[in-house]
Amino acid sequence: QSVLTQPPSVSGAPGQRVIISCTGSSSNIGAGYDVHWYQHVPGRAPRFLISDNNNRPSGVPDRFSGSKSGTSASLAITGLQTEDEGDYYCQSFDKSLFGWVFGGGTKLTVL
Amino acid sequence: QLQLQESGSGLLKPSQTLSLTCAVSGGSISGGGYSWSWIRQPPGRGLEWIGYIFHSGTTYYNPSLKTRVTLSVDRSKNQLSLRLSSVTAADTAVYYCVAGFCSLTSCPLQHWGQGTPVTVSS
Repeated sequence: QSVLTQPPSVSGAPGQRVIISCTGSSSNIGAGYDVHWYQHVPGRAPRFLISDNNNRPSGVPDRFSGSKSGTSASLAITGLQTEDEGDYYCQSFDKSLFGWVFGGGTKLTVL
Repeated sequence: QLQLQESGSGLLKPSQTLSLTCAVSGGSISGGGYSWSWIRQPPGRGLEWIGYIFHSGTTYYNPSLKTRVTLSVDRSKNQLSLRLSSVTAADTAVYYCVAGFCSLTSCPLQHWGQGTPVTVSS
């Protein structure tokens, strides 16, 4: 059971928009700690997507965007492409555990 | 571009000690202000933070692993090390070495190694 809750899977057709949610609590996201996002294609190294809730590192397309409100955060992907398929993880800090925590991951399928 | 490459014991028996190293290239482990983390992913499950070494040298560990894990840095070899004692099947996972610019409460994990699989089986 992950501290941060993500939907197990989402899907969308090429060109569509999907949103992946990450729900936490007053001990982590709700306490104001930053949320970061990663993409993981099985067999490859995870890829850093979003920093500090809504900042894209250089090289990450602007089709990816992040937001945070209250005890939740979201990753939006617009203009879906087949290469976007993979698993997506959110990450934050938890003050009760005094450490970093991840969501359970969301598998994105591009139909 | 910073590159990380994990290596080490891939098959262990229960109660043995897991020992992994992470070779860093494209930058100095001592410079740049990076903090160094280990993350693992058990089969069919999500990511789990093991611990990290701040750029200052201070270490922080996942409370659930704290009594068994040791992270260290060998600056002369530009590499990191992970030791996890008394392993069980629950420690079977792909282990990743990761670098990022971290504060105590925020650590975007920017550069990832390819990961190395570790299996614990009798």
